[in-house]
Amino acid sequence: EPEVTQTPSHQVTQMGQEVILRCVPISNHLYFYWYRQILGQKVEFLVSFYNNEISEKSEIFDDQFSVERPDGSNFTLKIRSTKLEDSAMYFCASSGTSPTTGELFFGEGSRLTVL
Amino acid sequence: GQQVMQIPQYQHVQEGEDFTTYCNSSTTLSNIQWYKQRPGGHPVFLIQLVKSGEVKKQKRLTFQFGEAKKNSSLHITATQTTDVGTYFCAGRAAGNKLTFGGGTRVLVKP
Repeated sequence: EPEVTQTPSHQVTQMGQEVILRCVPISNHLYFYWYRQILGQKVEFLVSFYNNEISEKSEIFDDQFSVERPDGSNFTLKIRSTKLEDSAMYFCASSGTSPTTGELFFGEGSRLTVL
Repeated sequence: GQQVMQIPQYQHVQEGEDFTTYCNSSTTLSNIQWYKQRPGGHPVFLIQLVKSGEVKKQKRLTFQFGEAKKNSSLHITATQTTDVGTYFCAGRAAGNKLTFGGGTRVLVKP
């Protein structure tokens, strides 16, 4: 069964460092998302991406965050200068159908710990 | 902005009993989805509801979408230990942003 894969599974970084989280969405999917979940809390929307551009982003997704799809398969989330409060599980998701319906397929997540 | 709220936050259930978790949106939704997240896992899609008043069943799970398309519920009958996890509703108002509720964490007492 096709799945969304994410690397790394866990990253520990120092405050102020740049972090890149990588995702390989399901191959024929067109819509890509990043969500984050602080331990034990809700799943928060960060950004959606379609046709090589951001289609929506939340207030959390400030200038420190960026996304790109550099090679047609990977979908990356970059955090330019990490803060302690960026510590969370980051989930990538993809969807193959219309952006206004259809289920999201989530990866297993990348746990980011900022010290 | 759009807010999605779920109650209860925690549900302790005796194995074999029924329970219901409720989801309310601050805005009218075009559709609502439900996801289950096992401890240490990632959200996994359960179902999508689109029509006003829609009811769908999956074995022991019954999902309902309110007439005004602003609320939804998940009812589980005869709870089993495999039902342990956090159940999230997630609603779409406009656009492709799916907003998750805070989740109901279900613990089952054998």
